[in-house]
Amino acid sequence: AQKITQTQPGMFVQEKEAVTLDCTYDTSDQSYGLFWYKQPSSGEMIFLIYQGSYDEQNATEGRYSLNFQKARKSANLVISASQLGDSAMYFCAMREGGNQGGKLIFGQGTELSVKP
Amino acid sequence: GAVVSQHPSRVICKSGTSVKIECRSLDFQATTMFWYRQFPKQSLMLMATSNEGSKATYEQGVEKDKFLINHASLTLSTLTVTSAHPEDSSFYICSARVPVGNEQFFGPGTRLTVL
Repeated sequence: AQKITQTQPGMFVQEKEAVTLDCTYDTSDQSYGLFWYKQPSSGEMIFLIYQGSYDEQNATEGRYSLNFQKARKSANLVISASQLGDSAMYFCAMREGGNQGGKLIFGQGTELSVKP
Repeated sequence: GAVVSQHPSRVICKSGTSVKIECRSLDFQATTMFWYRQFPKQSLMLMATSNEGSKATYEQGVEKDKFLINHASLTLSTLTVTSAHPEDSSFYICSARVPVGNEQFFGPGTRLTVL
């Protein structure tokens, strides 16, 4: 069963507008972490934001915020005031607790294009 | 954030040869590193977990004799693709978890092309 699901293969947003990238997950663990990464065409994976399952507040990092809805098992990324440089692939990932050792399981990714 | 490096960034080799890729954590010690493979337009697939001083843990379907992993020190893990074939051509990327905190950082990746 897919553990991390990103249902939007591609998204377009107008420069300076906000955009939400969807991510849902499936786990039976009580302790887990959710991540968002940006991958530009160069291939590097850039860490954006982290949300722990026990964190009561939604994580924020600059223009990035994570809309964490635990009961719905969703962890959507919100990018405010989009910039042309935000055009890239975005991956949601989950790290389960227990003895998983920290490995991340990734979603399929969403390709974001920011239009001028 | 923490820095993870990979070398080489690109490699082209002939079919049947072996290729070694290095992953280094530059400013922190990593007892565990992870190796991923990414095909074009696809997501990252975990290949194996590299543990310092012990054997790597491979994901289902990954041939351990073909993808040799050595984690000899707290800052270096290597992935050797043995007897490479064209279907091994891919983007290989490593990551390491910081010892304190939750972040996990990735190296810049290695693009392998097997002719």
